[in-house]
Amino acid sequence: KAGVTQTPRYLIKTRGQQVTLSCSPISGHRSVSWYQQTPGQGLQFLFEYFSETQRNKGNFPGRFSGRQFSNSRSEMNVSTLELGDSALYLCASSLNSQDTQYFGPGTRLTVL
Amino acid sequence: EDKVVQSPLSLVVHEGDTVTLNCSYEVTNFRSLLWYKQEKKAPTFLFMLTSSGIEKKSGRLSSILDKKELFSILNITATQTGDSAIYLCAAVDSNYQLIWGAGTKLIIKP
Repeated sequence: KAGVTQTPRYLIKTRGQQVTLSCSPISGHRSVSWYQQTPGQGLQFLFEYFSETQRNKGNFPGRFSGRQFSNSRSEMNVSTLELGDSALYLCASSLNSQDTQYFGPGTRLTVL
Repeated sequence: EDKVVQSPLSLVVHEGDTVTLNCSYEVTNFRSLLWYKQEKKAPTFLFMLTSSGIEKKSGRLSSILDKKELFSILNITATQTGDSAIYLCAAVDSNYQLIWGAGTKLIIKP
């Protein structure tokens, strides 16, 4: 079974731009969660989607948004990028919300 | 192809025992290694190791990295039932991408 995939693997943007990251969960998984990891830090929860609905949301500004499609693939969008948004963005999928999560390789975002 | 291999895949011990979890890696442009504890939901960050031979400690947990032999170990002493979890290691490459190991499922019996 293929694992969680994320695209792109890395990208560079400038302040004020927007970015969209994509996550394809493991086949059959309906829950997708997004996390931000800054170098040397732990994971900070962004939001979770289940069956195209946002179930939980972390403490991030409205510039961070997401959505989930009917095939469970999810996208995360960050608008008006700031330097502090530079981080590794991880996506994780699970069968249901309470099941073990499986993490993707991450997308490294650098904001200049 | 970059890869991270953890062993054992699962481990069952009794409370009070000491366990050693292994993580070996083959990563081009290796930067650092991370250990996480995962209990159902998001992993909890444990350690980040960048330098060889320097032990990091946090309570009963400790970890060390060997960049020559390309492995890391995570030690847990005087285990408790609350230590039951999946322990994940991930190697970080120069682009800050994570290459995950499959994890070690640790079960502590009372």
